[in-house]
Amino acid sequence: DGGITQSPKYLFRKEGQNVTLSCEQNLNHDAMYWYRQDPGQGLRLIYYSQIVNDFQKGDIAEGYSVSREKKESFPLTVTSAQKNPTAFYLCASSTRGGAFFGQGTRLTVV
Amino acid sequence: GNSVTQMEGPVTLSEEAFLTINCTYTATGYPSLFWYVQYPGEGLQLLLKATKADDKGSNKGFEATYRKETTSFHLEKGSVQVSDSAVYFCALSGFNQGGKLIFGQGTELSVKP
Repeated sequence: DGGITQSPKYLFRKEGQNVTLSCEQNLNHDAMYWYRQDPGQGLRLIYYSQIVNDFQKGDIAEGYSVSREKKESFPLTVTSAQKNPTAFYLCASSTRGGAFFGQGTRLTVV
Repeated sequence: GNSVTQMEGPVTLSEEAFLTINCTYTATGYPSLFWYVQYPGEGLQLLLKATKADDKGSNKGFEATYRKETTSFHLEKGSVQVSDSAVYFCALSGFNQGGKLIFGQGTELSVKP
């Protein structure tokens, strides 16, 4: 089945560590996105990519980095510079008909 | 800039009640409008969409009509079920924005038996 796969579902990070969240899609979509969701809030855009080897900062890019080496993959690295990384992270890909989301990764700093 | 405003939740209804969740937007040009639903611990699922004025999106008994004159896209359902309990997000994708979505803050719906 076509879709978006995020892994892992749960991730624990020690302070000062970098962690990478995986996002893979087999929908053949050009555009991919990373959003952050905090409790009781909407989604905020971290980074997006509309084509391979190109990406742009969203509204809250500080402390995050991404790469887009393949059309299918858009990994997000949460660096130690992100001071409040505990959140639910959602990856999406889109066509003109709308965006399709993965199941999310819940990151907790311990 | 573009923005979306939703009615605040939580909204609590009894089973079979009528549902309305208000959504208004600010955008230049002619955005596409969407409703997404999020069940606990999961990602977002596209519920319905409308791409031009007066379009009505519908799915699973939910409906929303793109009203350009009032810049609104209110979500309605005639008879809610307990299984409809979730968080609902209104979103827009601006013209020439490459599919980038701007979300409202979400409205939590709780349906009691």
